[in-house]
Amino acid sequence: QTVVTQEPSFSVSPGGTVTLTCGLSSGSVSTDNSPSWFQQTPGQAPRTLILSTNTRSSGVPDRFSGSILGNKAALTITGAQADDESDYYCALYVGSGISVFGGGTKLTVL
Amino acid sequence: DVQLLESGGGFVQPGGSLRLSCVASGFTFYNYAMGWVRQAPGRGLEWVSDISGGGGSTYYADSVKGRFTISRDNSKNTLFLQMSSLRAEDTAIYYCAKKPDLAVTGTDYWGQGTLVTVSS
Repeated sequence: QTVVTQEPSFSVSPGGTVTLTCGLSSGSVSTDNSPSWFQQTPGQAPRTLILSTNTRSSGVPDRFSGSILGNKAALTITGAQADDESDYYCALYVGSGISVFGGGTKLTVL
Repeated sequence: DVQLLESGGGFVQPGGSLRLSCVASGFTFYNYAMGWVRQAPGRGLEWVSDISGGGGSTYYADSVKGRFTISRDNSKNTLFLQMSSLRAEDTAIYYCAKKPDLAVTGTDYWGQGTLVTVSS
């Protein structure tokens, strides 16, 4: 059973920079896992931020960036704004047509 | 603009069946893989199933394998999820998800979701 790990919660000051991570219980994350990142506010559908490790989805500001940091995928938000306060989910492709979501990170901006 | 409109959710008793639909517009439907993602109340996102652009390849999470069937009608730009032997733990909002290309990795657009409630 593959488990994708994310920090349960994180906080950042307005204008600050935060990096959220996405790991694999079975080893290292690579570009082969095609990491994706999604933002979700309560009562809304998810919004895609990042595809294929570091490709911003249409309309996503360049404050959001994706990368591989060490053995994890990472989402970095620079110049955090109040409306960045959301839940953030990553998803990894683990092969054979199977994808797995992480448990999500609740980001607080204060 | 890409639009994904789900329907078919509702209230069903344990052991029952339900068929979800997702009508797509704004893109060439058969050129893209599609999928379903669900979210139980107060919980995180869970990948459910994906299907290739032509419909010949399908993939399922272990939690639904053997009970759910994904399919598509490319002539009607519509994605389906046939759900049977439903359990209380299948209660969730089900989101239709468009893939960025023919591969099943990633999701670039989401529908607004349809709520499925399984309860006696």
